[in-house]
Amino acid sequence: QKEVEQNSGPLSVPEGAIASLNCTYSDRGSQSFFWYRQYSGKSPELIMFIYSNGDKEDGRFTAQLNKASQYVSLLIRDSQPSDSATYLCAVYPSGTYKYIFGTGTRLKVLA
Amino acid sequence: GAVVSQHPSWVICKSGTSVKIECRSLDFQATTMFWYRQFPKQSLMLMATSNEGSKATYEQGVEKDKFLINHASLTLSTLTVTSAHPEDSSFYICSAPSPEGPSNQPQHFGDGTRLSIL
Repeated sequence: QKEVEQNSGPLSVPEGAIASLNCTYSDRGSQSFFWYRQYSGKSPELIMFIYSNGDKEDGRFTAQLNKASQYVSLLIRDSQPSDSATYLCAVYPSGTYKYIFGTGTRLKVLA
Repeated sequence: GAVVSQHPSWVICKSGTSVKIECRSLDFQATTMFWYRQFPKQSLMLMATSNEGSKATYEQGVEKDKFLINHASLTLSTLTVTSAHPEDSSFYICSAPSPEGPSNQPQHFGDGTRLSIL
């Protein structure tokens, strides 16, 4: 059973702090990794994707991938109350282009 | 960027009714679309993969006779929940992969349909 795991939270951080969200996956052959943000009652919106080991930065967001340890993380710098949402990690396991989603981490940014 | 439109956004109907949900790729062609279901405080669960020109592929445990999928064209997939019952009440979301580049591109989601069966 291929799995993607996230801490459900809530993760509470003060405004302006760095929020760190983590995701581990079981399929070592996985090649593609995605972070989505989902506000309550809304559908997911893509924040970032990463394919190679290392860091990928986009504005206040940095995705980090470590294939040897089978984890991918998302850092949100200068967190804002509007960042409060559930963050979903999604993975394409080897041999398929169907997402496996983690359960999501609920982030609360406190003003 | 790639836009996926889903309609309707909200449906309330009586038990036993069949409900059709449409998913359209607005500015690109999508030979594959995906249908998900999300219950409150849970993650998205893939129900089926919709394939243009062929039968949909259903995930284990999803009743194909209950959830009818038709990929009528390169821009339209529909999900029909037949004889819906209260336990079918959920948030249904479709997605389509980005049209450019290799197959490992991100999926783009429609706005979702909240289905409430009374």
